[in-house]
Amino acid sequence: EVQLVESGGGLVKPGGSLRLSCAASGFEFSIYSMNWVRQAPGKGLEWVSSINIGSSYIYYADSVKGRFTISRDNAENSLYLQMDSLRAEDTAVYYCAKETTYSTFDYWGRGTLVTVSS
Amino acid sequence: QSALTQPASVSGSPGQSITISCTGTSSDVDDYKSVSWYQQHPGKAPKLMISDVSNRPSGVSNRFSGSKSGNTASLTISGLQAEDEADYYCSSYTSRWSRVFGTGTKVTVL
Repeated sequence: EVQLVESGGGLVKPGGSLRLSCAASGFEFSIYSMNWVRQAPGKGLEWVSSINIGSSYIYYADSVKGRFTISRDNAENSLYLQMDSLRAEDTAVYYCAKETTYSTFDYWGRGTLVTVSS
Repeated sequence: QSALTQPASVSGSPGQSITISCTGTSSDVDDYKSVSWYQQHPGKAPKLMISDVSNRPSGVSNRFSGSKSGNTASLTISGLQAEDEADYYCSSYTSRWSRVFGTGTKVTVL
């Protein structure tokens, strides 16, 4: 059974940092691109970042470029999102999502809530 | 990258068919066969319903179907059921190697 379990969310002050993790199991993690998608309270889905199998192709939404860094450890079956210079508008549930073909996210985690507030 | 445009809400009675549109541009929906649809119930993670415009993953009801014409993709739900009441999002690959979601549509079963 495919499982994606996010962790690392919490309350952080504006300007602060947080590192999210996503533990993957039940599939061959190293052969799939992975993504982070977020959803602000009461709002729609927003794609955040993607990383390919060898970490050679990494892309970010304009809203987080220069502040967030995606990475992965294929040996540990884990995906990460380092979030720096956090802003109130980064407050959201952050989902880890497995990608099959481009823009096809076939499995999602349950999400981890990040709240940026003073 | 601007979000793809979806109607805010669509409603229908049980047994009816409804269609949700997803309008993009020549840089995303019109240019790629990589449009997907997701269903999200309150407090839950999204679930993949349609991939690559019209492919239905295993386990998804055949009441759900997808299509595309130019820069507009569509999701049709036939034989509407109470359990279909949820938010629906489209997504597409883009020419800037990014991904983009639609604005979301709330489906109400009357």
